[in-house]
Amino acid sequence: DQQVKQNSPSLSVQEGRISILNCDYTNSMFDYFLWYKKYPAEGPTFLISISSIKDKNEDGRFTVFLNKSAKHLSLHIVPSQPGDSAVYFCAASEPGGYQKVTFGTGTKLQVIP
Amino acid sequence: KAGVTQTPRYLIKTRGQQVTLSCSPISGHRSVSWYQQTPGQGLQFLFEYFSETQRNKGNFPGRFSGRQFSNSRSEMNVSTLELGDSALYLCASSGAGRHDEKLFFGSGTQLSVL
Repeated sequence: DQQVKQNSPSLSVQEGRISILNCDYTNSMFDYFLWYKKYPAEGPTFLISISSIKDKNEDGRFTVFLNKSAKHLSLHIVPSQPGDSAVYFCAASEPGGYQKVTFGTGTKLQVIP
Repeated sequence: KAGVTQTPRYLIKTRGQQVTLSCSPISGHRSVSWYQQTPGQGLQFLFEYFSETQRNKGNFPGRFSGRQFSNSRSEMNVSTLELGDSALYLCASSGAGRHDEKLFFGSGTQLSVL
């Protein structure tokens, strides 16, 4: 049972435009959500996170939105740059779960120059 | 500060063999967790260690085991390898291992089982 779902395996966006990556979850116990970026031959690196007490968190070009009622979060990248081309993983954790983080299957973003 | 170091980077084994993977966390980090990444499956949680104790375990068979040493370094062992064990194995560390802490990942060990 996939508790965190990223239904778009890939996404192509023109440089300078907005990239929107989506993620849905089913476990209502999740209260902390993170996005990681992964380049080939490297481990994932943390990008941005959001607690369930918030509905938006910004960090430079990256903004994460959380809609708890819909169990949906999204990552916005504005403007998109070629260096953003990578696989993006949505992840979630619940209190008491320590570092047991549930990841989505990833969305491969390609930013076209 | 050095990052998370995993060795070896690549491994080729045959079915039935066993394998041990090693992970050195970031200095000062006490929590080490392991994940398996396969195409189309994302990252699957294997287990987490904190102060030499396993705190959490994912849904993997008993062939997958691990341990953590007093210096926080961790090893993961897979016995009686199967073809389906071919994957990228990622180690991650964090300071206190709280659920709202970000993970720092190593580059992984790519295991191929023939």
